[in-house]
Amino acid sequence: GAGVSQSPSNKVTEKGKDVELRCDPISGHTALYWYRQRLGQGLEFLIYFQGNSAPDKSGLPSDRFSAERTGESVSTLTIQRTQQEDSAVYLCASSKNEGGYGYTFGSGTRLTVV
Amino acid sequence: AQSVTQLDSQVPVFEEAPVELRCNYSSSVSVYLFWYVQYPNQGLQLLLKYLSGSTLVKGINGFEAEFNKSQTSFHLRKPSVHISDTAEYFCAVSAPSGGSYIPTFGRGTSLIVHP
Repeated sequence: GAGVSQSPSNKVTEKGKDVELRCDPISGHTALYWYRQRLGQGLEFLIYFQGNSAPDKSGLPSDRFSAERTGESVSTLTIQRTQQEDSAVYLCASSKNEGGYGYTFGSGTRLTVV
Repeated sequence: AQSVTQLDSQVPVFEEAPVELRCNYSSSVSVYLFWYVQYPNQGLQLLLKYLSGSTLVKGINGFEAEFNKSQTSFHLRKPSVHISDTAEYFCAVSAPSGGSYIPTFGRGTSLIVHP
C-alpha cells in the first residue's frame, strides 16, 4: 500500500484480556519497528524486524508482550493479560533496509485498558 | 548505543517569529539524523533527514536543520512560524554502520505558536 496501515485505530479492553494489534508495512520495506508512546511521552522502542533475520526483542517490557512477522509482510503485536499501564499509543514504522530513506509511521493504535 | 537529548520540552513562540528546537545526540559511530513532526492524534511525519554530505538540510514546511559534528547537535530551525506549526517535534538518531539500525527518539519538544 501507499503507507503503513495499523488496525484497529482504537481499542478499549478490560484488564486481563489479551489484545492483538496489526501493522501492514509499505510493500518492499524490509524493516519493521514497533514503538510505544505513553501520554505526553516520547517513543519507546519495543521490537525490530529485518527481513528474515531473528527479531530484536530487546525493547519488550515484559513476557506479556510478543510480536510476529511473516517474511516482509504484516506484523502483529500481542499483549497478553493487559494491565492499565499498557494503555498507550502503539506505533508501527517501516523502512527500506537500514533506514537511510527514513522511517514511515502508521497512525497508531490507541489502546485503553480499563 | 546511541542516545538523543531534546533540551526543551516546550517552546512557546509568537506567530511569524523564528524558532529553534534543540537536539543533541551521542554515538561512537557515524549517524543518520532525523526530525519528525507529530500533529495531534496523528502519526509521525518525516520533516527532514541528514545522512551525509552538506551539513545544512532543508525539509518540508520551511524547516531546516544543521548537523554539527563537533557539537554533536542537529538543531531544527524555521525563520517564521505559523499557527499550523503547533505540534510535537521529535529528533531521532540511527547508526547503521557499526551501530544500531533501530532509531532512537528524543522525548519530544512541544512547539506552541501563539497568534
